[in-house]
Amino acid sequence: ETGVTQSPTHLIKTRGQQVTLRCSSQSGHNTVSWYQQALGQGPQFIFQYYREEENGRGNFPPRFSGLQFPNYSSELNVNALELDDSALYLCASSLERQGGNEQFFGPGTRLTVL
Amino acid sequence: AQSVSQHNHHVILSEAASLELGCNYSYGGTVNLFWYVQYPGQHLQLLLKYFSGDPLVKGIKGFEAEFIKSKFSFNLRKPSVQWSDTAEYFCAVTKNGAGSYQLTFGKGTKLSVIP
Repeated sequence: ETGVTQSPTHLIKTRGQQVTLRCSSQSGHNTVSWYQQALGQGPQFIFQYYREEENGRGNFPPRFSGLQFPNYSSELNVNALELDDSALYLCASSLERQGGNEQFFGPGTRLTVL
Repeated sequence: AQSVSQHNHHVILSEAASLELGCNYSYGGTVNLFWYVQYPGQHLQLLLKYFSGDPLVKGIKGFEAEFIKSKFSFNLRKPSVQWSDTAEYFCAVTKNGAGSYQLTFGKGTKLSVIP
């Protein structure tokens, strides 16, 4: 069974640029959630996708957007990057979208904005 | 909105010492509770979870947690820690029912176990 994978591992961008992060969900999982983990903090929920539709969103501005594809892989796009966007971005997949289901996390993408 | 507080930022213990990490959440409704662990250089992984039933839940690697509804707490315990338990531990909560998809995490507790 292949776990959750994310690419790239690390990324360096400058303010104002745009970035796309990618996530492949665990086999059989149809729900993908994205989290931002700033240094010294716990992960913060960005949004969740269920069967290609956004299923909920945290307190992040519209310049954070996403997609889920028919194979349930997902992308996180961030436009007009700001210094505070520097963080570890985590993707998690789960079997269904119920809150009680375990979310399986990927290794994350470390984004640095200069 | 729900929130999670973890009382200790960094805990340092000697091997064989007992561990208790505090976690309190704020939400008036029914919740699901989780402890996740992140070992150095590894992914976040689930230690244990509580949905309903017996408030004392057992997880992997000898960890357990007790849900005390009246105190809104879900403390993590281990009777005797090992050097390999050195990691960061996160308590998290989701609501039951509509909008229950979002994991809300605490800030984490870093555990260092000295051999």
